[in-house]
Amino acid sequence: GDSVTQMEGPVTLSEEAFLTINCTYTATGYPSLFWYVQYPGEGLQLLLKATKADDKGSNKGFEATYRKETTSFHLEKGSVQVSDSAVYFCALRGGSNYKLTFGKGTLLTVNP
Amino acid sequence: NAGVTQTPKFRILKIGQSMTLQCTQDMNHNYMYWYRQDPGMGLKLIYYSVGAGITDKGEVPNGYNVSRSTTEDFPLRLELAAPSQTSVYFCASSLTGTGGSTGANVLTFGAGSRLTVL
Repeated sequence: GDSVTQMEGPVTLSEEAFLTINCTYTATGYPSLFWYVQYPGEGLQLLLKATKADDKGSNKGFEATYRKETTSFHLEKGSVQVSDSAVYFCALRGGSNYKLTFGKGTLLTVNP
Repeated sequence: NAGVTQTPKFRILKIGQSMTLQCTQDMNHNYMYWYRQDPGMGLKLIYYSVGAGITDKGEVPNGYNVSRSTTEDFPLRLELAAPSQTSVYFCASSLTGTGGSTGANVLTFGAGSRLTVL
């Protein structure tokens, strides 16, 4: 079945540092890929998405590129801010089903 | 625009008690979902619905029931609460399942309901 593996956290960075959170997936067909973010005490909200190979999703300075050859969708940001502190979830929706499959989440803490 | 509204936000139950978590969306979305979030485990799908009158099991349905009598509402019922059901529950909705126009299959989540069973 479909699965998502993302890097274990927690990740602690200083403000303005470079961020990478790795995400790899296993899926049949041609999945859509997502990054969701969960701020403390809130529900998940979509950060970015990509629906086909080589697509790049971007939002709020975050980027991720859909790499079919390496089955990856790594999240990057060039300069993190304290306000980026949150839990980040990689997720996929398989080509033939309605459901999102989530990774376990990565807690990011950014210190001033 | 309220989006997805869940109630209650917090609840403590005793073992064996029953309760219903309410979920309402005002976006006329066809698809609705219930997830549970356990620490370090990501989100697991409990039940989902593709439209009024249609529901189906997800990965972890045991101990739960759902109904979908209207497009807007998708309540989750716990019949005999157990400590293993201590979790944070999220309701979500989307306009479509797969495909559709840009953004149509993106999930909108509620703020969550934290349930503790003692």
